[in-house]
Amino acid sequence: DQQVKQNSPSLSVQEGRISILNCDYTNSMFDYFLWYKKYPAEGPTFLISISSIKDKNEDGRFTVFLNKSAKHLSLHIVPSQPGDSAVYFCAASPQMNYGGSQGNLIFGKGTKLSVKP
Amino acid sequence: ETGVTQTPRHLVMGMTNKKSLKCEQHLGHNAMYWYKQSAKKPLELMFVYNFKEQTENNSVPSRFSPECPNSSHLFLHLHTLQPEDSALYLCASSQVGRGTEAFFGQGTRLTVV
Repeated sequence: DQQVKQNSPSLSVQEGRISILNCDYTNSMFDYFLWYKKYPAEGPTFLISISSIKDKNEDGRFTVFLNKSAKHLSLHIVPSQPGDSAVYFCAASPQMNYGGSQGNLIFGKGTKLSVKP
Repeated sequence: ETGVTQTPRHLVMGMTNKKSLKCEQHLGHNAMYWYKQSAKKPLELMFVYNFKEQTENNSVPSRFSPECPNSSHLFLHLHTLQPEDSALYLCASSQVGRGTEAFFGQGTRLTVV
């Protein structure tokens, strides 16, 4: 059973508009959430993260929102640019173990974002 | 030079072959990971090494054998694989003790014929 779910396999957005990517999780032990971006033929690259003690984290055009009661997080990209077209993975990490390693990640299946000029 | 380097980028092997995937990280991290990405499936954690010690094996078949000789290098030895093992194999590293994210290599695209 999937612990991290990205229910939208794809999303298409016009350049300049907002992109909203959603992610749901089932395990209440998760306490750190990350978004990764992946281009074809490349490994995932870290985009932005949020700790469970926060409900929002912003970095430039990217903002992640966390709703713990709903076990839901979302990534907002505004304004969207054609270069943002990629697959976006939501990932979650269980409560810190091994001294706080954030590599034991549970991933969603990803959402392919297409930003049209 | 990228932070996490994987070789080879592509590999085609027969079911009776033995091959190895290599991963090297230049970030000074002390934890390394193997992930597998199959078609239409999420990234799946296979093995975790912290300070060169294997701390996690997510029920991976024994035909996959990891090796971590030091904190900068990680290998995945492959033998008698099945066609369903064809996938993208990704290596990652992170720093234990600090809440840093994992950094991924570019992956090895493996095809078993």
